[in-house]
Amino acid sequence: AQKITQTQPGMFVQEKEAVTLDCTYDTSDQSYGLFWYKQPSSGEMIFLIYQGSYDEQNATEGRYSLNFQKARKSANLVISASQLGDSAMYFCAMRVLTGGTSYGKLTFGQGTILTVHP
Amino acid sequence: KAGVTQTPRYLIKTRGQQVTLSCSPISGHRSVSWYQQTPGQGLQFLFEYFSETQRNKGNFPGRFSGRQFSNSRSEMNVSTLELGDSALYLCASSLRLDTQYFGPGTRLTVL
Repeated sequence: AQKITQTQPGMFVQEKEAVTLDCTYDTSDQSYGLFWYKQPSSGEMIFLIYQGSYDEQNATEGRYSLNFQKARKSANLVISASQLGDSAMYFCAMRVLTGGTSYGKLTFGQGTILTVHP
Repeated sequence: KAGVTQTPRYLIKTRGQQVTLSCSPISGHRSVSWYQQTPGQGLQFLFEYFSETQRNKGNFPGRFSGRQFSNSRSEMNVSTLELGDSALYLCASSLRLDTQYFGPGTRLTVL
């Protein structure tokens, strides 16, 4: 079974500063994908960034980067130059890419609420 | 390209009733997954459909069911509603095993 752990229930950051949201995962599968989603108060889940387990380079998407440390099973999200609109809930998730009972489903962490102060 | 759409956006039902939620995936996406989000349990996987076949199912009672049509649109049904079924129901689509893109969700309230 897969498990995602986000140990920070809430984080605060000043506008224009960088912030790191922690995520650790547990799986026995070798082929998997790691995702970060943003969920504003409206409820919609917005895809931010993806990292494959065999990708050697850390993923980056604009102001978002994923600090992937496979040996430590961590996939932290780094948001640079925070903006007020970044205030939201952030979820780390995993999807196993091989067969088996977990085929296809996303397993989510409990989320981290990020608040950006002006 | 239009995103994932879900209807209705809000729904109020009473205990014992049944409800059907609809999801239209991104054009060309053949995989549709459903998730339930509650404050207590977080995000939980309900089921996934690919080319009209249920490929995986989460740990939910049989009152929760779904189906997918030939145009990839999907519906989920909850029968005999309970208070604990109040939740945000999210639908997501993907091509296959790549990124899942979510719809805005249906917020179900059971009274």
